[in-house]
Amino acid sequence: EAQVTQNPRYLITVTGKKLTVTCSQNMNHEYMSWYRQDPGLGLRQIYYSMNVEVTDKGDVPEGYKVSRKEKRNFPLILESPSPNQTSLYFCASSLSNRGGTEAFFGQGTRLTVV
Amino acid sequence: RKEVEQDPGPFNVPEGATVAFNCTYSNSASQSFFWYRQDCRKEPKLLMSVYSSGNEDGRFTAQLNRASQYISLLIRDSKLSDSATYLCAVNGRKSNSGYALNFGKGTSLLVTP
Repeated sequence: EAQVTQNPRYLITVTGKKLTVTCSQNMNHEYMSWYRQDPGLGLRQIYYSMNVEVTDKGDVPEGYKVSRKEKRNFPLILESPSPNQTSLYFCASSLSNRGGTEAFFGQGTRLTVV
Repeated sequence: RKEVEQDPGPFNVPEGATVAFNCTYSNSASQSFFWYRQDCRKEPKLLMSVYSSGNEDGRFTAQLNRASQYISLLIRDSKLSDSATYLCAVNGRKSNSGYALNFGKGTSLLVTP
């Protein structure tokens, strides 16, 4: 089954404790991205990757890191989480980012930083 | 001006009603347009792509107006199961080599018995 898998689905952590949210897709998609979704603010792109070893900042990259060492995986790293990073996070992948291609989303990771 | 703007609603409509959502975008060079559906606390899922000539899928019709830079979604004969948030998405240039899918904040629809 074609899918984007995120882990964990839920996470409660403390300020400053490094964490990684994993994302994996099995569709051989070139393009992957991370979004956060907050009430009243909608989906905002954090980082995106056009292919292996090619990543770039989205609209809200501060406090986040990503890597794309393999085509299928695109982890999101919070080196020192803070309470303002409490949010619902989605990973998404597309065949290409040249337009006209559907974005498939993971099931989401609900992160709480206390 | 935000790249993609939608009326947040909520739209409360009775079963069987017809409801229309609009979405405006700021980048005139945008080439790809989509409507996504998002159920509460779930991931967004593609409802339909929006083509220049307009397209229909059952009770759903999407249209694009490039001159005025807006897209629309029409839902006919609303069902209770249509209750969800509808997100407009527009593909726009992000860098010299990349594009990004920009989302509106979503329009909330509640269909009541």
